[in-house]
Amino acid sequence: EAGVVQSPRYKIIEKKQPVAFWCNPISGHNTLYWYRQNLGQGPELLIRYENEEAVDDSQLPKDRFSAERLKGVDSTLKIQPAELGDSAVYLCASSTGGEPYEQYFGPGTRLTVT
Amino acid sequence: GENVEQHPSTLSVQEGDSAVIKCTYSDSASNYFPWYKQELGKRPQLIIDIRSNVGEKKDQRIAVTLNKTAKHFSLHITETQPEDSAVYFCAATSGGGYKLSFGAGTTVTVRA
Repeated sequence: EAGVVQSPRYKIIEKKQPVAFWCNPISGHNTLYWYRQNLGQGPELLIRYENEEAVDDSQLPKDRFSAERLKGVDSTLKIQPAELGDSAVYLCASSTGGEPYEQYFGPGTRLTVT
Repeated sequence: GENVEQHPSTLSVQEGDSAVIKCTYSDSASNYFPWYKQELGKRPQLIIDIRSNVGEKKDQRIAVTLNKTAKHFSLHITETQPEDSAVYFCAATSGGGYKLSFGAGTTVTVRA
């Protein structure tokens, strides 16, 4: 079974530039999550999707961050414009959405904003 | 919301010894407690989990215990090996089992 796929793996941009991250979840997983992991910390949830619906985006900084999950499969997370403090690893995870709750993570995109 | 605290932040053990990591949580409604292992530059990998209706779970050299009354849970690794060196994260769910709140992580180093 293929795992969660993310691209790109690394991205370096200048501040104020836009950036986008892509995620393909495990086949059959209806629930998709985006997390941000700062250096030396645990992941923090940004947004959760059930199929194509964003059911929890309370932690998403909506002034500059946006996300979409068209057709309830792949998802894109966008930052526009990026700030220095956005440098982090952006992780995508997926789960079946029912019990059990196991979330499986992708390899992440390491974003560096200069 | 859920607040998860994890201790210690770093742990160095001799190969063959045991390692114990402890976490506390704040939301008494939390019912699922996974542990993730993250090697440098790699994805977090689920290594073991426990649900609130179980007090202990074991899988080969790793075990997790849960004390719901005290709201704490622990990871135990026995007979540690160099490949156990990594950052370990505990987590607890809220929001109906979907929202994971993570601890800050424990960097485990196994000395050969």
